[in-house]
Amino acid sequence: AQSVTQLGSHVSVSEGALVLLRCNYSSSVPPYLFWYVQYPNQGLQLLLKYTTGATLVKGINGFEAEFKKSETSFHLTKPSAHMSDAAEYFCAVSERDNAGNMLTFGGGTRLMVKP
Amino acid sequence: DAGITQSPRHKVTETGTPVTLRCHQTENHRYMYWYRQDPGHGLRLIHYSYGVKDTDKGEVSDGYSVSRSKTEDFLLTLESATSSQTSVYFCASRDSSSGANVLTFGAGSRLTVL
Repeated sequence: AQSVTQLGSHVSVSEGALVLLRCNYSSSVPPYLFWYVQYPNQGLQLLLKYTTGATLVKGINGFEAEFKKSETSFHLTKPSAHMSDAAEYFCAVSERDNAGNMLTFGGGTRLMVKP
Repeated sequence: DAGITQSPRHKVTETGTPVTLRCHQTENHRYMYWYRQDPGHGLRLIHYSYGVKDTDKGEVSDGYSVSRSKTEDFLLTLESATSSQTSVYFCASRDSSSGANVLTFGAGSRLTVL
């Protein structure tokens, strides 16, 4: 069975600082990988996804993530944090041959941005 | 993007009462999902549907049932609510051509069981 681990349930950065949110997965074969963001009192929105090809994936709002097969990781980064980035971020995986195409989510990381 | 609406958005109920949450989507998506969100656990899949009248259990299905009589509606029922079912419930959908499982989520239904 797949699992997703997000290191750090809360991360605090200063405005303008680098954002790094960590995600590691366990899967027998490289899965599809996703980052979703949840703003307060809203549903989840897709930030970016990795399916195949280039391992550095760019998403919305200046975020990007790099798939590292050897490290089974898919960490999310942004060079310079904005106050509007404060939200909860979820890493998720899905098996490539999963007929139901269900996502398995990590526990989430709440990002706080200090002025 | 799909339009997904969940109702009710907030509900407070008492232990032992039945509760039904409704999810309605307007994009003719084949797949629909119910997740619950709890601190530290992320989102966990309760049940999902891969077509009208076709449903299956997810990771945390005990105490829940679902029904899908029309493509656009996916109902989640708690037959006898318990305090452990206090949570935020999210519905999501995806069409069969949406490669790599990009889900569209509703805004959530917050359920409190006293």
